[in-house]
Amino acid sequence: DTGVSQDPRHKITKRGQNVTFRCDPISEHNRLYWYRQTLGQGPEFLTYFQNEAQLEKSRLLSDRFSAERPKGSFSTLEIQRTEQGDSAMYLCASTSADTQYFGPGTRLTVL
Amino acid sequence: GESVGLHLPTLSVQEGDNSIINCAYSNSASDYFIWYKQESGKGPQFIIDIRSNMDKRQGQRVTVLLNKTVKHLSLQIAATQPGDSAVYFCAEDLPNFGNEKLTFGTGTRLTIIP
Repeated sequence: DTGVSQDPRHKITKRGQNVTFRCDPISEHNRLYWYRQTLGQGPEFLTYFQNEAQLEKSRLLSDRFSAERPKGSFSTLEIQRTEQGDSAMYLCASTSADTQYFGPGTRLTVL
Repeated sequence: GESVGLHLPTLSVQEGDNSIINCAYSNSASDYFIWYKQESGKGPQFIIDIRSNMDKRQGQRVTVLLNKTVKHLSLQIAATQPGDSAVYFCAEDLPNFGNEKLTFGTGTRLTIIP
């Protein structure tokens, strides 16, 4: 257990529905990252927060995706109008220096 | 674009033997490298890291070697155990003023044969 928690661990939804995931980072970590991982691939960067500020977004993050970290602690990732191609593991990582510590991920299945 | 790649997608090793997992990176500006272990259904777990000003770093049963000349990274696991069976990823980090955005390869699946 790295100290990073994610909820839910699994989510099954129908195409077109909205979903929201939550990440609770290690408490003293000021930087929080979201990654997406598809089967057989390494994680791909989605977005990054320093405290409450979202500083970078990947082009993978379409307009249907939005992430927040309102108080600089936990973060949420919302996907609107889900598509089957959104099926993946969504990973959160946090750090205060260089090493990123990952949570267990949320596995999303879009039917 | 720049990417991190792995030479072998799968590797099987007899329990107790040593294993070596290799990784090639293409961005010579990368200055920080991490090895992660990922078990099925879990998030990546930090194993060991190395900075570009080093060529070797040792941990408990693990050693990372960095060859900047040929842009090659390796992870050596000594005296492998069944619990070492997992997918191993190397990740590289470009210096970007605090945004340590990692670029991962596709991973190597290590299977320890009892």
